[in-house]
Amino acid sequence: GENVEQHPSTLSVQEGDSAVIKCTYSDSASNYFPWYKQELGKRPQLIIDIRSNVGEKKDQRIAVTLNKTAKHFSLHITETQPEDSAVYFCAASIQGNTGKLIFGQGTTLQVKP
Amino acid sequence: GAGVSQSPSNKVTEKGKDVELRCDPISGHTALYWYRQSLGQGLEFLIYFQGNSAPDKSGLPSDRFSAERTGGSVSTLTIQRTQQEDSAVYLCASSYGGYNEQFFGPGTRLTVL
Repeated sequence: GENVEQHPSTLSVQEGDSAVIKCTYSDSASNYFPWYKQELGKRPQLIIDIRSNVGEKKDQRIAVTLNKTAKHFSLHITETQPEDSAVYFCAASIQGNTGKLIFGQGTTLQVKP
Repeated sequence: GAGVSQSPSNKVTEKGKDVELRCDPISGHTALYWYRQSLGQGLEFLIYFQGNSAPDKSGLPSDRFSAERTGGSVSTLTIQRTQQEDSAVYLCASSYGGYNEQFFGPGTRLTVL
């Protein structure tokens, strides 16, 4: 079945630096790749997503890139702030099928002031 | 509008007892998903509903787990004869079908003693 690998598991950066989280997926039929942010004790919230017909998408300080050939996608956060500290999950799904999300294991991002 | 809600927020039970977890999706969302998040782990897909039907139950870990959805709205996840390994946060998500963003509920934290 579909598998998503996410690296690194933990990431510590200084405020103002950039952070990059990478994911690879196994099912070439996957066509939708969301990223969720989960603060401690809270529900996961979508921060950005990308569909397979697009190579890059940006939203202010957050960007996601997708390489379909290599089956990997990445989250880039620039000018990190302490409030960016959280666990980030990547996921992959086949839209138009069940749409179920297959998640990576998560990355704990710590932004040090 | 109101988001996805789940009840109870916390449930402590004894090994061998049955538990029911409830999910109220966003009104009008036809797709409903259950996921499980074990401590420090990613989210694991359990079951998908489209309307009241469950075309994908592939993530249910054993026959002790079952779920139903009524009126195209509320869903109940039932775990029979609970085991300690069932301890986790159970998250529900809903969306406008299998093409769209999934919105998560706050989860039910289940502890099996």
